[in-house]
Amino acid sequence: QVQLVQSGAEVKKPGSSVKVSCKASGGSFSTSTISWLRQAPGQGLEWVGGIVPIFGAAKTAQKFQGRVTVTADESTTTAYMELTSLRSEDTAVYYCATDINRPVGDSWGQGTLVTVSS
Amino acid sequence: DVVMTQSPLSLPVTLGQPASISCRSSQSLVDSDGKTYLNWFHQRPGQSPRRLIYQVSNRDSGVPDRFSGSGSGTDFILKISRVEAEDVGVYYCMQGTHWPLTFGPGTTVDIK
Repeated sequence: QVQLVQSGAEVKKPGSSVKVSCKASGGSFSTSTISWLRQAPGQGLEWVGGIVPIFGAAKTAQKFQGRVTVTADESTTTAYMELTSLRSEDTAVYYCATDINRPVGDSWGQGTLVTVSS
Repeated sequence: DVVMTQSPLSLPVTLGQPASISCRSSQSLVDSDGKTYLNWFHQRPGQSPRRLIYQVSNRDSGVPDRFSGSGSGTDFILKISRVEAEDVGVYYCMQGTHWPLTFGPGTTVDIK
């Protein structure tokens, strides 16, 4: 099973951008479906976007209206989620996870807290 | 987007007793391939979520057999046959049939 380690917590100003990384080890990174999800303080889970590295094309939730970019680097087995034009409502723990919708075991990163505050 | 609802939102349980959580979707979750992509996740306080059940009724590896999932179409249930202390936390259903993937609001299970 894949092990996922995410980058550390970030504090950002409104209007700026953040890029969170998710380093995978073990398993099959290239053919995994990597999802990014977020969880606002005290709230539930929200899917942000996803990618299958071997195919390259990412899907993202329309609600982000082009503010989010999901990428993956097969050479370093690392996935990235970049969110631009940050607002206070983007304050959340961001998780990467693999294969949450496939009949193989899922794996989750430890989460990255992104705080947007002036 | 497909709206997922859960009930109850809070479930106090007695150790050793059964528990049941309902999940309903705003449209059928039967995919064109005939499969139903309804998953259940468990999140303990301060931890990342972990999937328990995929495609309605299939337990993930390592998930105790006291957990079971059932349902079809738009109505689904997660059952715990005998609640143990480690089962506390929040349970989420998630549909993966329609884009974007969407989650229910979560059901918080705690011990009475």
